Amino acid sequence: GQQVMQIPQYQHVQEGEDFTTYCNSSTTLSNIQWYKQRPGGHPVFLIQLVKSGEVKKQKRLTFQFGEAKKNSSLHITATQTTDVGTYFCAGPKDTGNQFYFGTGTSLTVIP
Amino acid sequence: DAGVTQSPTHLIKTRGQHVTLRCSPISGHKSVSWYQQVLGQGPQFIFQYYEKEERGRGNFPDRFSARQFPNYSSELNVNALLLGDSALYLCASSFTSDPYEQYFGPGTRLTVT
Repeated sequence: GQQVMQIPQYQHVQEGEDFTTYCNSSTTLSNIQWYKQRPGGHPVFLIQLVKSGEVKKQKRLTFQFGEAKKNSSLHITATQTTDVGTYFCAGPKDTGNQFYFGTGTSLTVIP
Repeated sequence: DAGVTQSPTHLIKTRGQHVTLRCSPISGHKSVSWYQQVLGQGPQFIFQYYEKEERGRGNFPDRFSARQFPNYSSELNVNALLLGDSALYLCASSFTSDPYEQYFGPGTRLTVT
């Protein structure tokens, strides 16, 4: 079945360092979404990418959708303590409206 | 505007019992999805409803059922609870049934003993 994997599973960075998480799907995705979940909280929508090779930026966050639409990445420049949380990618099933969430990358920022 | 609301926030049940979880979507949103999130894992899709019809079902046993009401609120029912059903149950609403940004509620923490 379809699988969405993320690496790394955990990442500890010093405040000010950059951070990248990678998302890989076993099948082609029509679109991909990114969510952030703070400890004890619920997932919060960050962005949706639809086009092959698409790149979107939100302040210090850069999202990229691969040319083959099977992988994606989230890059954070100059991390801050407010960036702490688990970042999930989510892709829809080939048919229907089911979303498969990735395994998540837990980011810890050390002040 | 109020976000997605869920009730109850916490629930403790015994094996074999049944449970009903409730969700109210953001005003104007017609799609509601349910997810199960076990500690340390990503949310797992259970159901999606749009305009009171089931639009998607994840790989969960028939003990799990759901419905959506005319006001677009939704209920998730789980029968014959197992210890493994202990998890955070998240409801997410979106404007349409198409892949679109989803707004999650705070979740219901279910503990089965």
